[in-house]
Amino acid sequence: GQQVMQIPQYQHVQEGEDFTTYCNSSTTLSNIQWYKQRPGGHPVFLIQLVKSGEVKKQKRLTFQFGEAKKNSSLHITATQTTDVGTYFCAGLHKLVFGAGTILRVKS
Amino acid sequence: DVKVTQSSRYLVKRTGEKVFLECVQDMDHENMFWYRQDPGLGLRLIYFSYDVKMKEKGDIPEGYSVSREKKERFSLILESASTNQTSMYLCASSWGKGRRTDTQYFGPGTRLTVL
Repeated sequence: GQQVMQIPQYQHVQEGEDFTTYCNSSTTLSNIQWYKQRPGGHPVFLIQLVKSGEVKKQKRLTFQFGEAKKNSSLHITATQTTDVGTYFCAGLHKLVFGAGTILRVKS
Repeated sequence: DVKVTQSSRYLVKRTGEKVFLECVQDMDHENMFWYRQDPGLGLRLIYFSYDVKMKEKGDIPEGYSVSREKKERFSLILESASTNQTSMYLCASSWGKGRRTDTQYFGPGTRLTVL
């Protein structure tokens, strides 16, 4: 069945450093969603990518969808302490979440 | 704002008990979902409902059942709770009847401990 792998599992960065998490699917996806879960909170939708090669930006966050629609990345420029949390990708056709990347930021 | 509420934030039950987890959404969404979240495993879909009285099994339905008698309410039932069902349970809802591709709105979660 469809599997979505997310790496790294955990990353600890110094405030101001950049951060990237990667999502890879075993099958071609119709689209991909990204969610953020703050510590003690619930997942909150960030963005959806649909087109091959699509790039979207939200302030310091840049989301990319691969040309083959089998991988995606989330890049945060100059991390801040407010960025801490777990970032999940969710691959569709069949809705499958990656295991998430936990981001910790040292101030 | 979409609001998804869950009946309890924390719940402690004993092995063999029947457990009901309730979820209510106020946005008239067609789709509702139940997930469990475990460290290192992410969110795994238990059941999905796209209409009243309609349901589909997700990836890990064993040991669970669901009920959707009204559009706004989706219940997860553990017929006989076991210790391996100790987890965080998240409910979500979305538009797009039958489509899984729309934005999901999550409830705050219920942390269930089975002793």
